Amino acid sequence: AQSVAQPEDQVNVAEGNPLTVKCTYSVSGNPYLFWYVQYPNRGLQFLLKYITGDNLVKGSYGFEAEFNKSQTSFHLKKPSALVSDSALYFCAVRDNYDYKLSFGAGTTVTVRA
Amino acid sequence: SQTIHQWPATLVQPVGSPLSLECTVEGTSNPNLYWYRQAAGRGLQLLFYSVGIGQISSEVPQNLSASRPQDRQFILSSKKLLLSDSGFYLCAWRISGNTGELFFGEGSRLTVL
Repeated sequence: AQSVAQPEDQVNVAEGNPLTVKCTYSVSGNPYLFWYVQYPNRGLQFLLKYITGDNLVKGSYGFEAEFNKSQTSFHLKKPSALVSDSALYFCAVRDNYDYKLSFGAGTTVTVRA
Repeated sequence: SQTIHQWPATLVQPVGSPLSLECTVEGTSNPNLYWYRQAAGRGLQLLFYSVGIGQISSEVPQNLSASRPQDRQFILSSKKLLLSDSGFYLCAWRISGNTGELFFGEGSRLTVL
């Protein structure tokens, strides 16, 4: 079985400061890892993914994520947060054998001006 | 380019009434299709997925059913709605055989009264 944990329900940062949203995962075999963002009453938007290769993955809107196999983590980062980054962020995982993505519970990010 | 459409966007239904939510994908063929439910603006629960016409896999026993009458059409139904069916329903698709990221529709918000 595969699962994802997002240990923080909420993250608050000031605009211009670095932003980190944490994610840990559990899968059998090699993980396929994803980050999504959701604005109120909207669908989820794909930000980035890790499949293989470089542990640092760059995605949309200046976000990046670092894959750490030994810690089974895939934290989302942004060097300088914007007020417009305030949203709900989801981490997701699947393994080699499954069509399904398992999502974390989500982390609400609030960036204050 | 590919697009996904969901309708209706908002629906208010009485308990015991039927339900039909529709999802269509344009610009691709033989997609994998998914229905998720999001309760209280948080985590996503996979309800159904389909790898082809007439092929439906159910993830949780419940009051809902899904059908895929055409390659790019996915329908979520209920014969008699319950209060607990209220939520935000998200349709998603991915290219069959690709690395796994899903692309989501804008969602359908269902309120059962």
